[in-house]
Amino acid sequence: QSVLTQPPSASGTPGQRVTISCSGSSSNIGTNPVNWYQQLPGTAPKFLISSNSQRPSGVPDRFSGSKSGASASLAISGLQSEDEADYYCAAWDDSLNGLYVFGTGTKVTVL
Amino acid sequence: QVQLQESGPGLVKPSETLSLTCTVSGGSISSYYWSWIRQPPGKGLEWIGYIYSSGSTNYNPSLKSRVTISVDTSKNQFSLKLTSVTAADTAVYYCASDRFGEGAWGQGTLVTVSS
Repeated sequence: QSVLTQPPSASGTPGQRVTISCSGSSSNIGTNPVNWYQQLPGTAPKFLISSNSQRPSGVPDRFSGSKSGASASLAISGLQSEDEADYYCAAWDDSLNGLYVFGTGTKVTVL
Repeated sequence: QVQLQESGPGLVKPSETLSLTCTVSGGSISSYYWSWIRQPPGKGLEWIGYIYSSGSTNYNPSLKSRVTISVDTSKNQFSLKLTSVTAADTAVYYCASDRFGEGAWGQGTLVTVSS
């Protein structure tokens, strides 16, 4: 059902910058803000980025989000071992009778 | 700090109704949004729906005919009912604060649909 496409995996060494893309369409990312979630292994997801680029209190500033057109990106600067997790983008979709859709998810591995 | 805890049967038979409750502690359930999100084993997240403390709801269209989310402010709880379940409804079910889990999440509870 997911209409937001993410690469299945991404990786980097400690200290590197990793970028995750999220591709949608005009009815979701092209029109509505994008949120990002982090899911550490075996745990519940955690809200990471709101409204394309806003970090909730407590989220390190090495996490940043951006949006351009119908695509969005999450960047992790200064990658740390504790950043190894699954990351999901999400947005409201206006075309599906109103539906909040999550991306397919990206597994980030710290080498 | 608000904490959430899901509770309910871990095994449901096909065609029956899945019922889960989320207990909110450390804060009042009033004047806030509360949501349910699920994750099939090894797969991605799926938004189920949300409720405002007044009782207004918004559901995933693909589940709308089978889903009911309700709130009991006297018990500081909100609940999920999913009718006519099949194996495809097997998932970890999370309750969360705000419409799309922008706040706290429960630890999740695995519900298996099997005879």
